[in-house]
Amino acid sequence: QKEVEQDPGPLSVPEGAIVSLNCTYSNSAFQYFMWYRQYSRKGPELLMYTYSSGNKEDGRFTAQVDKSSKYISLFIRDSQPSDSATYLCASYTGGFKTIFGAGTRLFVKA
Amino acid sequence: EAQVTQNPRYLITVTGKKLTVTCSQNMNHEYMSWYRQDPGLGLRQIYYSMNVEVTDKGDVPEGYKVSRKEKRNFPLILESPSPNQTSLYFCASSLSSVGYEQYFGPGTRLTVT
Repeated sequence: QKEVEQDPGPLSVPEGAIVSLNCTYSNSAFQYFMWYRQYSRKGPELLMYTYSSGNKEDGRFTAQVDKSSKYISLFIRDSQPSDSATYLCASYTGGFKTIFGAGTRLFVKA
Repeated sequence: EAQVTQNPRYLITVTGKKLTVTCSQNMNHEYMSWYRQDPGLGLRQIYYSMNVEVTDKGDVPEGYKVSRKEKRNFPLILESPSPNQTSLYFCASSLSSVGYEQYFGPGTRLTVT
């Protein structure tokens, strides 16, 4: 079993839709949870991170962590075609080690 | 402009021919790392470095070498490349020792025939 599981998609939505991206993780020691966005032919870039449980909001993006169910979510409101990318969830437990999910490809149609 | 650069961006080579992929960052970051990205497997860490002359293995270090002689540079060396090392490679750096906020380079697509 992978330590961080993510549905690879692809996920296709119309412009303006609310997007929900999800991951599960298996290691209870994970403390930091991150979402990276990767455009085609580019390196990943950090979108948001949360520490432990709870929500964090940044503009149209909300990251949510439920440690009781080991569930990580990213919500995108009012999705735009420019949001079309691969979204990678990741967890950090210390020791310079970050575990990434496989990534979900998102397409937002105009 | 703060950035991580990698060279070359694309490389096609043959089995057994030694190659080096360079990585350089201009942000004075202490922590640097190499990943490979394969379909369905996501990013997997190859090696990482906490500072000059300090390196350690990640999850998939077999067939790779690294060195960190200068803070800004962290080259990845494939002494005898094999076809199963065909992949997309990313270098990353981080200021924080916690390492959750990493800055990635643009990637190097390597094909070994």
